[in-house]
Amino acid sequence: DAKTTQPPSMDCAEGRAANLPCNHSTISGNEYVYWYRQIHSQGPQYIIHGLKNNETNEMASLIITEDRKSSTLILPHATLRDTAVYYCIVWGGISNFGNEKLTFGTGTRLTIIP
Amino acid sequence: DAEITQSPRHKITETGRQVTLACHQTWNHNNMFWYRQDLGHGLRLIHYSYGVQDTNKGEVSDGYSVSRSNTEDLPLTLESAASSQTSVYFCASSESGTGYYNEQFFGPGTRLTVL
Repeated sequence: DAKTTQPPSMDCAEGRAANLPCNHSTISGNEYVYWYRQIHSQGPQYIIHGLKNNETNEMASLIITEDRKSSTLILPHATLRDTAVYYCIVWGGISNFGNEKLTFGTGTRLTIIP
Repeated sequence: DAEITQSPRHKITETGRQVTLACHQTWNHNNMFWYRQDLGHGLRLIHYSYGVQDTNKGEVSDGYSVSRSNTEDLPLTLESAASSQTSVYFCASSESGTGYYNEQFFGPGTRLTVL
């Protein structure tokens, strides 16, 4: 699975959109981009994933660049409860069929400021 | 509702003692994972299992063992606890074999202190 690079920390004002970047320049064609978050002292929680198209769900949007070398997780209207560590993970998908372990890096610590 | 639980939630033990952390899931997932989390290291994979009787070593498996005798449980054993194993331990499970979807469901964690 390709490695990812994320900024160690970011701040965002409450009510504004939080845009969390992730670089994955060595991603291969069948690898997915996954995002998880970990709110203080809790277990990580899945947010969203995508292959090459932009994705949106009730929690967030995921924008993947056309060359797939980077992506951005967008929390459209950040609240204080979005303060957490956000992990960007690349996983091999069908090429890793039957190999579902994930590699968590150190993520981005997002702080929402009132 | 299906869930994944860990016990105990907090444990203090002494160096050299054997400790077992329990993980139980009712999702009927084939995949189960154990991670440890230390400041500055994120989550690191200790052991994982893709089904009954299957176990595999992760990146930090030394000093730990697991066994999988049924689908629901993956206990983690520290054979001889060391102070370096003081950490927060998370268990997770996921569905297997979709090839495109990989959501892991995490337990609440166990905080282990080795004195």
